[in-house]
Amino acid sequence: NAGVTQTPKFRILKIGQSMTLQCTQDMNHNYMYWYRQDPGMGLKLIYYSVGAGITDKGEVPNGYNVSRSTTEDFPLRLELAAPSQTSVYFCASGEGGEQYFGPGTRLTVT
Amino acid sequence: KQEVTQIPAALSVPEGENLVLNCSFTDSAIYNLQWFRQDPGKGLTSLLLIQSSQREQTSGRLNASLDKSSGRSTLYIAASQPGDSATYLCAVRGRGSTLGRLYFGRGTQLTVWP
Repeated sequence: NAGVTQTPKFRILKIGQSMTLQCTQDMNHNYMYWYRQDPGMGLKLIYYSVGAGITDKGEVPNGYNVSRSTTEDFPLRLELAAPSQTSVYFCASGEGGEQYFGPGTRLTVT
Repeated sequence: KQEVTQIPAALSVPEGENLVLNCSFTDSAIYNLQWFRQDPGKGLTSLLLIQSSQREQTSGRLNASLDKSSGRSTLYIAASQPGDSATYLCAVRGRGSTLGRLYFGRGTQLTVWP
């Protein structure tokens, strides 16, 4: 039981490039979330999903897209990367109570 | 909108001290409150989860209390150790809000020195 896994761990992007952050959970949770954490700040919600095929925007969705074709996977797509997207990205899953977090992806856009 | 504040932002104590971390939130209509630990460059580890109907939860040397009416929670760490050094995050889950999303504070950075 691996919990929530994220890939890659680190990535450097040039301005304007695109990439997909992968997130997979093996706990059969319906609810999944993407957060970003900027230095010295709390986590902010980017997108969330309540089940396969259902996604919605969180607090800071601009510049990102998501999809949820299976219960296990919830990839986050960055289109046209900008320096403001330099952050640590966390994926989480949960079901009615506690949330479980992945180890994070540290992204730098230069 | 729910706002979560954690005080102090940083704390440095000698080993063995008992300490209290504070968390306050503006909207008392919460489903639960969760305390996390975050080590540098790592993900979040859940420490304690308190449901809105509960007053406190304990795990080993950790005790978390919840006063929903006043919008406050405290995390008590007994007999602190250098291994407790980390950032502690408080997060609340709103009742009936965005389907389980958590609202986070900025964290308290704790350093316990030998």
